[in-house]
Amino acid sequence: DIVMTQSPDSLAVSLGERATINCKSSQSVLYNSNNKNYLAWYQQKPGQPPKVLIYWASTRESGVPDRFSGSGSGTDFTLTISSLQAEDMAVYYCQQYYDTPYTFGQGTKLEIK
Amino acid sequence: QVRLVESGGGLVKPGGSLRLSCAPSGFRFSDYYMSWIRQAPGKGLEWVSYLSNTGRTTSYADSVKGRFTISRDNAKNSLYLQMNSLRAEDTAVYYCARHFDASGSYSLFDNWGQGTLVTVSS
Repeated sequence: DIVMTQSPDSLAVSLGERATINCKSSQSVLYNSNNKNYLAWYQQKPGQPPKVLIYWASTRESGVPDRFSGSGSGTDFTLTISSLQAEDMAVYYCQQYYDTPYTFGQGTKLEIK
Repeated sequence: QVRLVESGGGLVKPGGSLRLSCAPSGFRFSDYYMSWIRQAPGKGLEWVSYLSNTGRTTSYADSVKGRFTISRDNAKNSLYLQMNSLRAEDTAVYYCARHFDASGSYSLFDNWGQGTLVTVSS
């Protein structure tokens, strides 16, 4: 199984500041035949299901604000929120869809400082 | 507008069975791969199982293999998860989720239901 490890487990950031969440996979999720990283990021607010933010490691889902961006390749990935808003308080998960079982990181709880 | 509504959760004793249902709307259900994903209280996300659009291809997490069965009825627009030999560690909110693309090649989940809570306890 591909193990996804996020860091940090929790993060407190001031409004308007940058937030950075890291995700590391135990093996590469880069599919060589199409040069795509099979890595997605989700946001989950309390009492709600997860919502996809980013896929292919860096493609923003339709309707997601452009303050959210994804980067990385192979085994190391980053989700960046460029200017934190109050509504961004949530738990963020990375997920690999390279192979079954599809696996998620343990989650990073983002709080407002 | 895509909508997924789960039902069938509840309290069940260890060793018991439960059948979850998911009612999709707002898209052509028969075109899409679907998955069940669960979240234990206060914990992270665990993918449980997927089923191809035709119902011919399935996959399960090792933790549920041999105990859970995913199925669908495209004519009735319904997805199911039959859960047998339930254990305390199966306690979770169970979400049904649509795969991103109709081909099933890209198994990220672009639409989720609100979930149904399964509690396994004596």
